[in-house]
Amino acid sequence: ETGVTQSPTHLIKTRGQQVTLRCSSQSGHNTVSWYQQALGQGPQFIFQYYREEENGRGNFPPRFSGLQFPNYSSELNVNALELDDSALYLCASSLAYSASYEQYFGPGTRLTVT
Amino acid sequence: AQSVSQHNHHVILSEAASLELGCNYSYGGTVNLFWYVQYPGQHLQLLLKYFSGDPLVKGIKGFEAEFIKSKFSFNLRKPSVQWSDTAEYFCAVRNTGGFKTIFGAGTRLFVKA
Repeated sequence: ETGVTQSPTHLIKTRGQQVTLRCSSQSGHNTVSWYQQALGQGPQFIFQYYREEENGRGNFPPRFSGLQFPNYSSELNVNALELDDSALYLCASSLAYSASYEQYFGPGTRLTVT
Repeated sequence: AQSVSQHNHHVILSEAASLELGCNYSYGGTVNLFWYVQYPGQHLQLLLKYFSGDPLVKGIKGFEAEFIKSKFSFNLRKPSVQWSDTAEYFCAVRNTGGFKTIFGAGTRLFVKA
């Protein structure tokens, strides 16, 4: 059973640029959620994708967008980067409508915006 | 709006001491509750969860948590901690059937050998 993987591990971008982060879900999972974890804080929910459609969103502006592909891998795109976007970005996969609803987290991508 | 409050940001204990980490949430409906742990250099992983039934939930590595609905609390406990329990612990809540999981700010536990 393959776990959740994310790439890249670290990334440095300049304010105003765009970034794409990638996530590969655990085998058999059809739902992926993305979280932003700023230093010293808990993960904050960005959005969730199920069957290639966004089915829930947290308090993040539209410049945060995502995609889920037929193989259940996913991307998080952030446009017009701001300094406050510097954070650890986590993806978590799960199996929708399962009794256990357990999310499996990836190692994260550390994004630094300068 | 939903929120999760963890009472302590940093806790330092000696081995064999008992642990209790506080967690309170605000949400009026039916919730699912979780404790996650992040060991140094590792992924966030699930310690235990409460969905329904017995409010005393047992998880991995000897951890347990008690859901007290009247107090909107879900405190994490362990009778005797080990050095290997050094980690950051996150309480989280999700409204039943919902999609959004809200995390607390986390508690960093350091266990002295």
